[in-house]
Amino acid sequence: QKEVEQDPGPLSVPEGAIVSLNCTYSNSAFQYFMWYRQYSRKGPELLMYTYSSGNKEDGRFTAQVDKSSKYISLFIRDSQPSDSATYLCAMGMDTGRRALTFGSGTRLQVQP
Amino acid sequence: EPEVTQTPSHQVTQMGQEVILRCVPISNHLYFYWYRQILGQKVEFLVSFYNNEISEKSEIFDDQFSVERPDGSNFTLKIRSTKLEDSAMYFCASMGGANEKLFFGSGTQLSVL
Repeated sequence: QKEVEQDPGPLSVPEGAIVSLNCTYSNSAFQYFMWYRQYSRKGPELLMYTYSSGNKEDGRFTAQVDKSSKYISLFIRDSQPSDSATYLCAMGMDTGRRALTFGSGTRLQVQP
Repeated sequence: EPEVTQTPSHQVTQMGQEVILRCVPISNHLYFYWYRQILGQKVEFLVSFYNNEISEKSEIFDDQFSVERPDGSNFTLKIRSTKLEDSAMYFCASMGGANEKLFFGSGTQLSVL
């Protein structure tokens, strides 16, 4: 079983839709969870960062963590064509380290 | 907004040659990292660097790889004798302190011929 599983997509939605992106993980030692957005041939850009179960909201983005189920989600409200990118979940084990383990990424296409 | 800067954006080299990838982390950041992403695959951790020494490295980071912070601003990744399978996008990242956010550069695309 892979440490972090993420559906690669592609996921195609119409503009304005609510998007749900998900990752599951197997290692209960993961304590920190992040979502990155990556445009083609660019570096990952941090969107959301959380270290506790529950929801965290930032503008149109909501990150959800359920440690008991080892499941994390990113919701994008009112999706825009500019949201079209690959979304990577990433997680880490230790407060002082960032040897992150990434998911394979979900490619999102928002159709105008 | 401060950003991590990487040069060059694209490096082409012959198999067996040495390459040095350069990074300027965000000023005042204390933790530095290299990751790589082979085309179509996951972003993979290579090495972390703190207080002028390697704090963690993955099994990918073998004796052919080394990192250095030669001055107060640069952070480099050296591959001593490149192999075809080293072809990938290499990302530098930095973090201000423990528990803080990790910021990535735009990457150097390394092509080994």
